[in-house]
Amino acid sequence: SQQGEEDPQALSIQEGENATMNCSYKTSINNLQWYRQNSGRGLVHLILIRSNEREKHSGRLRVTLDTSKKSSSLLITASRAADTASYFCATAPKTSYDKVIFGPGTSLSVIP
Amino acid sequence: DTGVSQDPRHKITKRGQNVTFRCDPISEHNRLYWYRQTLGQGPEFLTYFQNEAQLEKSRLLSDRFSAERPKGSFSTLEIQRTEQGDSAMYLCASSLNQPQETQYFGPGTRLLVL
Repeated sequence: SQQGEEDPQALSIQEGENATMNCSYKTSINNLQWYRQNSGRGLVHLILIRSNEREKHSGRLRVTLDTSKKSSSLLITASRAADTASYFCATAPKTSYDKVIFGPGTSLSVIP
Repeated sequence: DTGVSQDPRHKITKRGQNVTFRCDPISEHNRLYWYRQTLGQGPEFLTYFQNEAQLEKSRLLSDRFSAERPKGSFSTLEIQRTEQGDSAMYLCASSLNQPQETQYFGPGTRLLVL
């Protein structure tokens, strides 16, 4: 079974609204990463949050991590049509020296 | 452009044929990863290299799959006797010499097995 699971599977919002995606995982982690994938293309790294961090910001992105609940959220503020993409969380399990495990992703559609 | 490159971008083959994909990582990156991604799913780990050493292979990787990274630079992923179930996007990523850190992905090779 996958380490990380994103929720919701799909999200559709109007341009200018905020988008929130969640990721839940099962085992202890060293860090958690969020990636974006535009249709049919490679993944782009967005942000990495370590297990001892609770919140991180990068431009319009805000990521939170709650290790007690084994969950993370990605907030995109003031969304744009160009934010339309699939978003994946990738967890770095403590039990795996050098692997990260990707969830199935959230498909975000931002309607102009 | 000094990002990760993959070749070819698309490959159509007939069942039973062999295919080989190439990945050129970012030049200073020691670690190189191969993933497989099917529609609507996240990337699934296949294997990774630290320099020229292949350190881990997924149980998903049957004996029809082999990967190499001679001299610790580019890598190749070969699939022998392709099956329709091998149809997927094959992604390569590289990272600096720290485990579980940011990975930089190539554009992928989309394989269709007829």
